[in-house]
Amino acid sequence: QSVLTQPPSVSAAPGQKVTISCSGSSSNIGNNYVSWYQQLPGTAPKLLIYDNNKRPSGIPDRFSGSKSGTSATLGITGLQTGDEADYYCGTWDSSLSGRVFGGGTKLTVL
Amino acid sequence: QLQLQESGPGLVKPSETLSLTCTVSGGSISSNSDYWAWIRQPPEKGLEWIVSISYSGNTYYNPSLKSRVIISLDTSKNQFSLKLNSMTAADTAVYYCARLSKRDGSGYCLDYWGQGTQVTVSS
Repeated sequence: QSVLTQPPSVSAAPGQKVTISCSGSSSNIGNNYVSWYQQLPGTAPKLLIYDNNKRPSGIPDRFSGSKSGTSATLGITGLQTGDEADYYCGTWDSSLSGRVFGGGTKLTVL
Repeated sequence: QLQLQESGPGLVKPSETLSLTCTVSGGSISSNSDYWAWIRQPPEKGLEWIVSISYSGNTYYNPSLKSRVIISLDTSKNQFSLKLNSMTAADTAVYYCARLSKRDGSGYCLDYWGQGTQVTVSS
């Protein structure tokens, strides 16, 4: 049971847009910055979004992040087959004094 | 470009202690602004944060693993290490080391990861 809640899976057609939600509480998302990670099959996670909505250099602007209250959202536009991966949200939890992740969302590009 | 590489045994017997090392290149673990972390991923499951440590010694543990974890820094070798004792089959996972950084000075994020190392607990 993860502290942050994500949908297990989402799917969309190539070229379309998809959003992945991440729900938490005031002890984590509500008062801390959220980051998102992309894990392609058989590889290590990779930083996609940090500080709720910032992209590291090299991450295309098709990827975006937002936060409202105790929830965060990852958006991906212009879907490509290469975007098929597991996506994780993460943040600090002040009650646990530790970092927490969502359970992960598997993106399928149909 | 910062690079991290995990090393350690791929097979550990039940009740024994796992010892893993993360070697950092392209940067120094002696940075006052960064933390160094271990994260694991059981088969077909999500990410689980284990522990983080800063150069100054500030350490944060996953409460569920705290009693079994030791983390340390070796600045002379630019490495940090994880020891996890009393291993069971439930500890079978891919173990990743990573850097926790504030990048632009706001929140921390895991911006560099090692490739991961598979650890299996079996007799």
